[in-house]
Amino acid sequence: SQELEQSPQSLIVQEGKNLTINCTSSKTLYGLYWYKQKYGEGLIFLMMLQKGGEEKSHEKITAKLDEKKQQSSLHITASQPSHAGIYLCGAGSSNTGKLIFGQGTTLQVKP
Amino acid sequence: GAVVSQHPSWVICKSGTSVKIECRSLDFQATTMFWYRQFPKQSLMLMATSNEGSKATYEQGVEKDKFLINHASLTLSTLTVTSAHPEDSSFYICSALPGQGAGTGELFFGEGSRLTVL
Repeated sequence: SQELEQSPQSLIVQEGKNLTINCTSSKTLYGLYWYKQKYGEGLIFLMMLQKGGEEKSHEKITAKLDEKKQQSSLHITASQPSHAGIYLCGAGSSNTGKLIFGQGTTLQVKP
Repeated sequence: GAVVSQHPSWVICKSGTSVKIECRSLDFQATTMFWYRQFPKQSLMLMATSNEGSKATYEQGVEKDKFLINHASLTLSTLTVTSAHPEDSSFYICSALPGQGAGTGELFFGEGSRLTVL
């Protein structure tokens, strides 16, 4: 079965600093989703990547999928307190909708 | 954007009672919905796939008789935790796949339901 490993597990950064979260899959990724969650709340969709080498950006967040489609990174530029939360990568197919998630990365941004 | 709503958002019940959690797609039809469970400070674990008009498909290790899933319409799936015990206390989240959304990329999640069993 496919497993996703996220690193780091937690991260504390100063406001304004850049940061990167990684997601490594044990198998080839056919769809890689990034979500943000505040503890005890639902998931907020960030981005979805499918093609090797693909890169997408939304505001100050950029996600990339490597050429081999086994690793993805999420990069936040000039972090703000509003970026704080739990970031989850999920692997699956947009056709089936079934996702397997990584263990999550908890981000704190200090003002 | 598309919205998935869960109800109740939190519930406290006594051990031995059953609790029903609803997952509704508010502005789209979903032939398939998914139920996840999340323990404190842990990731989401897929419990089952809910298929409209047919039996749910459960992941390995998930008790079918403990977690009853019904997907009676294209906009509603329910998860019933039967004879709940304290170890069933958790955060339950559903997601829905739009019928016409295949390949568009986005899956929609509910706000989650926190169950506490005393």
